[in-house]
Amino acid sequence: ILNVEQSPQSLHVQEGDSTNFTCSFPSSNFYALHWYRWETAKSPEALFVMTLNGDEKKKGRISATLNTKEGYSYLYIKGSQPEDSATYLCAHTSGTYKYIFGTGTRLKVLA
Amino acid sequence: DGGITQSPKYLFRKEGQNVTLSCEQNLNHDAMYWYRQDPGQGLRLIYYSQIVNDFQKGDIAEGYSVSREKKESFPLTVTSAQKNPTAFYLCASSLSPGHLRSSYNSPLHFGNGTRLTVT
Repeated sequence: ILNVEQSPQSLHVQEGDSTNFTCSFPSSNFYALHWYRWETAKSPEALFVMTLNGDEKKKGRISATLNTKEGYSYLYIKGSQPEDSATYLCAHTSGTYKYIFGTGTRLKVLA
Repeated sequence: DGGITQSPKYLFRKEGQNVTLSCEQNLNHDAMYWYRQDPGQGLRLIYYSQIVNDFQKGDIAEGYSVSREKKESFPLTVTSAQKNPTAFYLCASSLSPGHLRSSYNSPLHFGNGTRLTVT
């Protein structure tokens, strides 16, 4: 993988459902993987910064895991709420100022 | 409150005119970035600056120019040479990653963006 890829591109879930998205990135020369939440009409907000293989981070109902050897990270949302509706971006850096972003996963939580 | 301010929120220009987008931060961050977003694409890096009076081209710098005369400010000029200037522009800042692997723990802080329309 040469670029940062996110899947799915978009999804709709019912309130209360749990969901997860994937971010794939180049596994060579890994430095950091960032997750951001971008709500409509707001600026992207950092969720997690992950640097170590096997890292697991949690913030409320949202958690993320990191596998640097195979080049992927998962973001999980437990018990989705309408306020979780946003675009979730991941960004990878291999040790430069160039954070390469994926195209994002657009989540819509239906009440 | 500390943060990043981009202005204006919406900007309209005629083709052939240069236009400057403002980005100011009061977070005392060393590094600043300009990204561009187009439909269906991820954020693409235009320019970045690690310290005052220094900046580097990103992946899509052609047709753009920047300056970094003050730590707080990183204005972006979209010149008439930019073939497809209509886009959403985001400014960001971070603590300088430096040369230590551990310093990449610093997240990016973003402004609210400027939507530029050139007709």
